[in-house]
Amino acid sequence: DTGVSQDPRHKITKRGQNVTFRCDPISEHNRLYWYRQTLGQGPEFLTYFQNEAQLEKSRLLSDRFSAERPKGSFSTLEIQRTEQGDSAMYLCASSSKTGGASFATNEKLFFGSGTQLSVL
Amino acid sequence: AQRVTQPEKLLSVFKGAPVELKCNYSYSGSPELFWYVQYSRQRLQLLLRHISRESIKGFTADLNKGETSFHLKKPFAQEEDSAMYYCALYTGNQFYFGTGTSLTVIP
Repeated sequence: DTGVSQDPRHKITKRGQNVTFRCDPISEHNRLYWYRQTLGQGPEFLTYFQNEAQLEKSRLLSDRFSAERPKGSFSTLEIQRTEQGDSAMYLCASSSKTGGASFATNEKLFFGSGTQLSVL
Repeated sequence: AQRVTQPEKLLSVFKGAPVELKCNYSYSGSPELFWYVQYSRQRLQLLLRHISRESIKGFTADLNKGETSFHLKKPFAQEEDSAMYYCALYTGNQFYFGTGTSLTVIP
């Protein structure tokens, strides 16, 4: 499978513990997005990278969340001191964006299967 | 502020009947709209985008800037269309997703 892969698929943790998720995008894609999705809601933007640069981070994201993409390839999302409200599906998506600010017509987001986090 | 509204959480239609999934958006700039679909046990995937003016699996969607809408339509629903559908707005650096509509096509 050459699509976006996420690891682990499921994570159960106790409140207060730290967790880290990994996302491997499609190899030629330079953009990588993290989203969070809770039951009955659509994906909510968390942050995105263009290559190794983190270009935007949601204002709703607390300081307990941090993401990296050190070599412009895979990315990690860490949540420190987890809370029960962090329980959600964490989705990663990648795309290939070139050129200026507008989105080119032949680009689209490719999603991973997600990591389901349960905080007890 | 940017916002995407999908008023129907659940929608059921009979096989062969027309289907329309509603999407309204709020955005002060020039919008780019998409429909994403998630079939059972599959990952979220792009269905179509307004800028391509394409028909995918019989679905079409027209951007109406006056009504700020991007409704998804199909003249004859099929059982395999049963899925979760998300409307998404792209603003140049972020995608904003609606809450989704779960479509069930009754045989």
